[in-house]
Amino acid sequence: ETGVTQTPRHLVMGMTNKKSLKCEQHLGHNAMYWYKQSAKKPLELMFVYNFKEQTENNSVPSRFSPECPNSSHLFLHLHTLQPEDSALYLCASCLLAGGNNEQFFGPGTRLTVL
Amino acid sequence: GDSVTQMEGPVTLSEEAFLTINCTYTATGYPSLFWYVQYPGEGLQLLLKATKADDKGSNKGFEATYRKETTSFHLEKGSVQVSDSAVYFCALTGGSNQGGKLIFGQGTELSVKP
Repeated sequence: ETGVTQTPRHLVMGMTNKKSLKCEQHLGHNAMYWYKQSAKKPLELMFVYNFKEQTENNSVPSRFSPECPNSSHLFLHLHTLQPEDSALYLCASCLLAGGNNEQFFGPGTRLTVL
Repeated sequence: GDSVTQMEGPVTLSEEAFLTINCTYTATGYPSLFWYVQYPGEGLQLLLKATKADDKGSNKGFEATYRKETTSFHLEKGSVQVSDSAVYFCALTGGSNQGGKLIFGQGTELSVKP
């Protein structure tokens, strides 16, 4: 148990559906991240939130919409996705202090877009 | 910008063999270095870390030494087990990037046969 939880663990959705992924951290961290992990590809950083403010958006399509209502919760809202968006979506959190910046990962949501 | 390069996988070993997974990095300043492991169907877990030159990180029989002169952080284990089968990611943070962003290598898949 890493202190970072993600729900749901598995999600199957059609291209016209709207769904949300949830991430929660119980570690008192002040930064949260969304990553996408596709088969045979490196981990892709999608969004970064520091102190609830989005500080990075790595050219992610607008069909992915993040929300960070507080420093413990992070959402990824999904709408009109494409089959190529099928992947493992990982959330991570970190306490930004000094140079260590160790990230703790959740178990991921396995997303399948039909 | 900062980057991490890992040896290509998959790596297939017999049980009790010696393991080396090479990792080199490019970064300005003084990054922290990490090895993460991802077991099948799970998220990433921190395996070990080193925050300054000549530090040795170790955990579960795995070791890696932060070598600034060769910009390397190779992962080693003297005797692998079937349960070590996983994907291993080398990563760095700090250096020239701010906000605790982790820069990952592409991952190396390890398969250990009985």
